[in-house]
Amino acid sequence: KAGVTQTPRYLIKTRGQQVTLSCSPISGHRSVSWYQQTPGQGLQFLFEYFSETQRNKGNFPGRFSGRQFSNSRSEMNVSTLELGDSALYLCASSFDGANNEKLFFGSGTQLSVL
Amino acid sequence: AQTVTQSQPEMSVQEAETVTLSCTYDTSENNYYLFWYKQPPSRQMILVIRQEAYKQQNATENRFSVNFQKAAKSFSLKISDSQLGDTAMYFCAFMSYTGTASKLTFGTGTRLQVTL
Repeated sequence: KAGVTQTPRYLIKTRGQQVTLSCSPISGHRSVSWYQQTPGQGLQFLFEYFSETQRNKGNFPGRFSGRQFSNSRSEMNVSTLELGDSALYLCASSFDGANNEKLFFGSGTQLSVL
Repeated sequence: AQTVTQSQPEMSVQEAETVTLSCTYDTSENNYYLFWYKQPPSRQMILVIRQEAYKQQNATENRFSVNFQKAAKSFSLKISDSQLGDTAMYFCAFMSYTGTASKLTFGTGTRLQVTL
């Protein structure tokens, strides 16, 4: 069974641009969540999608958004990039996000904003 | 809101030795889950061990075990017979019992180096 796949692995953007990151969950998994990892703030929960609906949201500005498609693949978008958005963005999936389930993480997308 | 604190930014241990990583947390909830995740240079977060707060027995997974002290809100990870492949960042994480598996609160991590 293929794991969680995130594309691209690396991305370089400039301030003011927007970016879209992609996450393909493990086959059969319907819950996809996103985390931002930075040296200063550590790992922070961005949001979770389940059955194409955002089910949970962390404390991030509206520039951070996401969506989920009918095949459970998810995309995350950041608009008007700021230097502070430079981070590793991790995606994780589980079957339906129940609290007794195991989360499976991808290897992340490293975003650098110049 | 819950907080998770890892007070050891870096630790080093020799191969085959035992090392303990510390984690404390703060919550007003009575039921919750605690986790240790490992992040090797590949960057993928890998679940090491999981503990349900309502279980008094400490969780174990092969060479990994935890010391869960609910009253003290302490959750340490012991790695026995350390191996070079254990070199990684280790994160302690909290999940509310009423939450979903996706919403974890992480500590700042401990970088573990296993040496020959």
